[in-house]
Amino acid sequence: GQNIDQPTEMTATEGAIVQINCTYQTSGFNGLFWYQQHAGEAPTFLSYNVLDGLEEKGRFSSFLSRSKGYSYLLLKELQMKDSASYLCAVRDSNYQLIWGAGTKLIIKP
Amino acid sequence: GAGVSQSPRYKVTKRGQDVALRCDPISGHVSLYWYRQALGQGPEFLTYFNYEAQQDKSGLPNDRFSAERPEGSISTLTIQRTEQRDSAMYRCASSLATADSGNTIYFGEGSWLTVV
Repeated sequence: GQNIDQPTEMTATEGAIVQINCTYQTSGFNGLFWYQQHAGEAPTFLSYNVLDGLEEKGRFSSFLSRSKGYSYLLLKELQMKDSASYLCAVRDSNYQLIWGAGTKLIIKP
Repeated sequence: GAGVSQSPRYKVTKRGQDVALRCDPISGHVSLYWYRQALGQGPEFLTYFNYEAQQDKSGLPNDRFSAERPEGSISTLTIQRTEQRDSAMYRCASSLATADSGNTIYFGEGSWLTVV
């Protein structure tokens, strides 16, 4: 079966750095996405990785290792508005997105 | 339109009634997806279209659920003889195409369905 694993919840302090991990087992691989979802709102796109390595976009970076079936989302200089759920999704060989359950990130002052 | 638009945003219906949820994707987007999302969970795939063709409906829970996109733009998800277990957030999303794996999926605000 296809599976995406990510921690259910994480807590971090304002101004700090947090790393949210995602591991996957899917039928094929055609890219990995990270989405942010604030409570009661639609998921919004954060990043996309298809090749191994680090993609940096401002305070957010995403890393991919295809051989390990592993990705992480790194958030720097945390702000209170970063409190949200972070969803990892992998596009499989049929170009279908397989979604993780999301990691709820709680930022404390 | 500027974004993916869904209606109604909130729907309360009596058990046994039929309900239709509408999605208007971003203009020019070829691919349209329907998802269901429970609280604290990621989106659960229901079905998707390229233009007017339904490419995959393997996620539809049973034959009470159906979807169409007759002109390759607006789509309707219909649930017949609703049951309480159908209560959920139904989200529509669209993307330029699926062939290019880098295409981002953009989500609508969703339709909250409550079956009483």
